[in-house]
Amino acid sequence: GAVVSQHPSRVICKSGTSVKIECRSLDFQATTMFWYRQFPKQSLMLMATSNEGSKATYEQGVEKDKFLINHASLTLSTLTVTSAHPEDSSFYICSAREGGAAGELFFGEGSRLTVL
Amino acid sequence: SQQGEEDPQALSIQEGENATMNCSYKTSINNLQWYRQNSGRGLVHLILIRSNEREKHSGRLRVTLDTSKKSSSLLITASRAADTASYFCATDTQAGTALIFGKGTTLSVSS
Repeated sequence: GAVVSQHPSRVICKSGTSVKIECRSLDFQATTMFWYRQFPKQSLMLMATSNEGSKATYEQGVEKDKFLINHASLTLSTLTVTSAHPEDSSFYICSAREGGAAGELFFGEGSRLTVL
Repeated sequence: SQQGEEDPQALSIQEGENATMNCSYKTSINNLQWYRQNSGRGLVHLILIRSNEREKHSGRLRVTLDTSKKSSSLLITASRAADTASYFCATDTQAGTALIFGKGTTLSVSS
């Protein structure tokens, strides 16, 4: 099946720094990718929809200036957590649809961010 | 935003017993999917049931869908310790949009 890869799988950073997480669709093109955040013992919360070649659509309550999303190509979306703080520590998961709007969704393995 | 509510939030059973988890959702769906997540790991897709289906089986898994009640259930038969994980339902409401996840059920199977 299709594979979605995230990198890095784990990252530790100091408070105030920025961290970039990559989400790649390895064997298919994805015009749309989705970013989720998951706090410990909680469910996945949709943060934003990443659209290739255009601005991302953010869910209510998600700061777009803090969580910068860039979908520069049909196989890569990046999430940059700017000026990270300890409360941004979380598990970030991306997903991508294969084959257009009705295609199957595939999830990356997730990226665990720890902000000290 | 979250579409679904699972119950129970936590379930502890013995190996060999069956585990049933329920999911309710709020809006019309195209399909409903169940995922498993081991602690600290990514999601594993278990099964997808379309809105025009009522029941689906995959190995030890049985999923039902009642669109009139906007609810689904996941049954794991003859559970094993390796089934210990969190289970989430996720609804696909519109072509091209993201899956919306329920709050999840944490299943613990002891040997």
